[in-house]
Amino acid sequence: TQLLEQSPQFLSIQEGENLTVYCNSSSVFSSLQWYRQEPGEGPVLLVTVVTGGEVKKLKRLTFQFGDARKDSSLHITAAQTGDTGLYLCAGFRPGNQFYFGTGTSLTVIP
Amino acid sequence: EAGVTQFPSHSVIEKGQTVTLRCDPISGHDNLYWYRRVMGKEIKFLLHFVKESKQDESGMPNNRFLAERTGGTYSTLKVQPAELEDSGVYFCASSLNLGNTQYFGPGTRLTVL
Repeated sequence: TQLLEQSPQFLSIQEGENLTVYCNSSSVFSSLQWYRQEPGEGPVLLVTVVTGGEVKKLKRLTFQFGDARKDSSLHITAAQTGDTGLYLCAGFRPGNQFYFGTGTSLTVIP
Repeated sequence: EAGVTQFPSHSVIEKGQTVTLRCDPISGHDNLYWYRRVMGKEIKFLLHFVKESKQDESGMPNNRFLAERTGGTYSTLKVQPAELEDSGVYFCASSLNLGNTQYFGPGTRLTVL
């Protein structure tokens, strides 16, 4: 069974559009991270959210942690071609393990 | 500062053979992690070293997998004998302290034929 479900699995949008990626679970996490991975490279950390309801902004990216710390969303405003990549969420639980979602593959078309 | 490096980048072996993957963490990082992504599945935790000690190896699939970190620097992950289902991308990550940002290597793509 998949602990963290990400949706959509694939997303193809035009440059300039907005998009939201979701990361959902029935389990509570002490923190949640979002990564971006490009082909041939490892995941690169974008943000860590810790507090339920927390919102963090990173330029055109807005990350939100659900009030119950079971889910999270990533919103990108005015997507650019450089945003293309695989977006992964990862939840951290006691026991010091990260549980990754399956990822959302984003393609931004010029 | 050099990032996490992994060797080899790709490995193609036949079922029953042995393969050893290597990870060099960022210098000074005591925490080293191994993960695996099987095709179409999520990245899964394999194990965690703190210096040379195995802190958590609950994610290791079976006893065909052996991880070592002698001297607390680089780590190796040996698969012996390899099976078809071992194919995937093996990632290594390191962090300075527990709970700090994990820095991932580029991964080793293992294909077992």
